[in-house]
Amino acid sequence: EIVMTQSPATLSVSPGERATLSCRASQSLNGYLAWHQEKPGQAPRLLMYATSTRATDTPARFSGSGSGTEFTLTINSLQSEDSAIYYCQQYNSWPLTFGGGTKVEIK
Amino acid sequence: EVQLVESGGGFLQPGGSLRLSCAASEFTFSTYAMSWVRQAPGKGLEWVSAIFGNGGTSYYADSVKGRFTISRDNSRNTLYLQMTSLRAEDTAVYFCARHYGSGNYYNYFDSWGQGTLVTVSS
Repeated sequence: EIVMTQSPATLSVSPGERATLSCRASQSLNGYLAWHQEKPGQAPRLLMYATSTRATDTPARFSGSGSGTEFTLTINSLQSEDSAIYYCQQYNSWPLTFGGGTKVEIK
Repeated sequence: EVQLVESGGGFLQPGGSLRLSCAASEFTFSTYAMSWVRQAPGKGLEWVSAIFGNGGTSYYADSVKGRFTISRDNSRNTLYLQMTSLRAEDTAVYFCARHYGSGNYYNYFDSWGQGTLVTVSS
């Protein structure tokens, strides 16, 4: 099983600033990494897949990068509606696994 | 717009059984793999089980293997999760989620339902 580790657990960022979220895998993912956003009371939503491809309706201020076992989700010019928990998910192999999540708070 | 609506959640005692359903609409259900993903109170997301579009292949998390069974009825556009020998640690919101692909590749979740709550307690 591929273990996914996200850091930090909580990130507090001022509006307009940049948020950088990290996700590490216990083995290489061949780029098969997705990011999901979860807001309170809402279903999770796909943000990014294949490391760096934005899903439909994902704003351009979200970008993904990385390779091998190290991945990053960057949110440029953070807005209040970006307050959420972000999960990385590997789909390189079964079982599918998620990271523990990073909670982004707005200062 | 893709619609996924879960139902069947409830409160039950340890050792009990329950069947969850997920009604899908606005897409060709049989061509997509589907999964159940759960979230315990205050915790993160945990993948539970997946089934390929044709229903011929399924996978399970170790935590539920032998107790849960995933199935689908492509004629009814419905995904199921039969849960038996339930434990307190199975308490969670259960989401159904659509995979981008049919199962062999691209197993990320591109649509999610709102979830149904299962509470297991004595």
